[in-house]
Amino acid sequence: DVKVTQSSRYLVKRTGEKVFLECVQDMDHENMFWYRQDPGLGLRLIYFSYDVKMKEKGDIPEGYSVSREKKERFSLILESASTNQTSMYLCASSWGSGRLYYNEQFFGPGTRLTVL
Amino acid sequence: GNSVTQMEGPVTLSEEAFLTINCTYTATGYPSLFWYVQYPGEGLQLLLKATKADDKGSNKGFEATYRKETTSFHLEKGSVQVSDSAVYFCALALTTDSWGKLQFGAGTQVVVTP
Repeated sequence: DVKVTQSSRYLVKRTGEKVFLECVQDMDHENMFWYRQDPGLGLRLIYFSYDVKMKEKGDIPEGYSVSREKKERFSLILESASTNQTSMYLCASSWGSGRLYYNEQFFGPGTRLTVL
Repeated sequence: GNSVTQMEGPVTLSEEAFLTINCTYTATGYPSLFWYVQYPGEGLQLLLKATKADDKGSNKGFEATYRKETTSFHLEKGSVQVSDSAVYFCALALTTDSWGKLQFGAGTQVVVTP
């Protein structure tokens, strides 16, 4: 079974703090994604990565950055947390293009971040 | 642009009732369509998918048919259980997108009572 794990289920931070959210997958997937989930808005893509050290902006990258130093690990960074970044953050991974089922994504359990 | 619209929830129904969740989409290309389910306190899981017109995806008693003429992918289950209480997301991925990015709908919460 594919397993995607996230470093924390719940996190409380203060405005202005630097926040790191970690995601690890064990299926040797090429692609990794970070979403935020808000009521009534569904999931919105923040950033994704298709290879080590490669990243692309999603729909809402402002206020976020990412890092992928190893294939299995994808980090989301909030450089200076703000209250409007209070949300559920979901990580996902998938096979790269050219593979069967390349567009099926596997999700972690999520990190609920509260910024005070 | 590409978008997915699904019916607003919450949808509340009794055990053994029939469930339908409507989903329609707009896409610039030819998408694959998905239903994901999120049980309380968990991440999303793929429930079913369809990759071309008239395909029917099915899993765990749920079904959805890819209707290109109506740009729809409605989810149905004939007899729901309390354990089906969850949030259901419809999503699309363009086959021209080599990274397999998903566009999600807002989600529909389903509450099944005994």
